[in-house]
Amino acid sequence: AQTVTQSQPEMSVQEAETVTLSCTYDTSESDYYLFWYKQPPSRQMILVIRQEAYKQQNATENRFSVNFQKAAKSFSLKISDSQLGDAAMYFCAYRSHNSGNTPLVFGKGTRLSVIA
Amino acid sequence: KAGVTQTPRYLIKTRGQQVTLSCSPISGHRSVSWYQQTPGQGLQFLFEYFSETQRNKGNFPGRFSGRQFSNSRSEMNVSTLELGDSALYLCASSSGQGVYGYTFGSGTRLTVV
Repeated sequence: AQTVTQSQPEMSVQEAETVTLSCTYDTSESDYYLFWYKQPPSRQMILVIRQEAYKQQNATENRFSVNFQKAAKSFSLKISDSQLGDAAMYFCAYRSHNSGNTPLVFGKGTRLSVIA
Repeated sequence: KAGVTQTPRYLIKTRGQQVTLSCSPISGHRSVSWYQQTPGQGLQFLFEYFSETQRNKGNFPGRFSGRQFSNSRSEMNVSTLELGDSALYLCASSSGQGVYGYTFGSGTRLTVV
């Protein structure tokens, strides 16, 4: 079974600075999808960014970008120009492509604080 | 486009009771998944429904059940509630295989006393 590990339970960053959240995963599959979700105090999980494993190019969405290292099974999230609204729990998630209907597998999350 | 709607937002129940939670997916989404979120266990998959059929199930006891209606709305039911069932229950919808990500609702916070 696939597992996702987020080794940083909590992190903090100064407003306008850059922060990187780590995520590693374990799988024997070659084709899969990786996601970062943000969960603010409102509780709703919001999709931040998505990466397809067969694409070597790292995904980017405005201030959010990933460093996808397939061989190392690493999928870190970089937040540039951090804003107060970025404060939230961030979850890394894995979804198999080959197995059809498998669900998302989540890491335990990283709580990000943004300091004004 | 309306998002995923979960009702109620908060619920307090007594041990031994049963509870039904509701989820209305994004219009056009036929897949609905349910997750349980607790501080200790994190996010755990309960089940997924697609076109009224359960196509995947997590490792939860039979007290947890669900269903999906023809309009894609889904309900989950927990019978004989235990204290350990206290959690945030999140519903997520997708258009198909979920490879483009799932859209989540704001969850139902269930407290069992």
